[in-house]
Amino acid sequence: GAVVSQHPSWVICKSGTSVKIECRSLDFQATTMFWYRQFPKQSLMLMATSNEGSKATYEQGVEKDKFLINHASLTLSTLTVTSAHPEDSSFYICSARAQNYNEQFFGPGTRLTVL
Amino acid sequence: AQTVTQSQPEMSVQEAETVTLSCTYDTSENNYYLFWYKQPPSRQMILVIRQEAYKQQNATENRFSVNFQKAAKSFSLKISDSQLGDTAMYFCAFMKHWVRDDKIIFGKGTRLHILP
Repeated sequence: GAVVSQHPSWVICKSGTSVKIECRSLDFQATTMFWYRQFPKQSLMLMATSNEGSKATYEQGVEKDKFLINHASLTLSTLTVTSAHPEDSSFYICSARAQNYNEQFFGPGTRLTVL
Repeated sequence: AQTVTQSQPEMSVQEAETVTLSCTYDTSENNYYLFWYKQPPSRQMILVIRQEAYKQQNATENRFSVNFQKAAKSFSLKISDSQLGDTAMYFCAFMKHWVRDDKIIFGKGTRLHILP
């Protein structure tokens, strides 16, 4: 099956700094990528949807200036958490979908801890 | 708006037993897709099984099968001969269409423990 990778898998940063998380589709072209946030023992919460070459569409309540999403190529999307604070600590998961392919593939997730 | 409800937050079952996880959903769509995803302790999301609403036959994948009741908007997952590796969080999910931006809507999940 298709593979989606995320980097880093785990990151610790200081409050006020920015952190970038990469999501790559390794063996297919992802026309659409999704970014989720997951708190412990909870479900996945969709943050935003990004289409290659377009601005991301953010879900209600998600600050677009804080969570910058870029989908500049068909194999790479990035999520940048700007001016991170401890409440941004969470598990972030990306997911990718190829055009005309009826399946969505998930990355392994990135654990962000903000001190 | 579509909603997905999983009424069992947590379940435990002995190894080799059969267990059924419940899921109900609400939609006004006639054609859609339903999924069960597994999230083991590694937290990697794994697709277990999926069902297209227009198909009357229940989907099966080895030890995993679903009971899809379209009129009742029910989509339960049965795990037969449960194994220790089945211990995970299980999410029921819904999607309208496979168009570019259509979102997968997840239930809150059921945490399943398989006991040795």
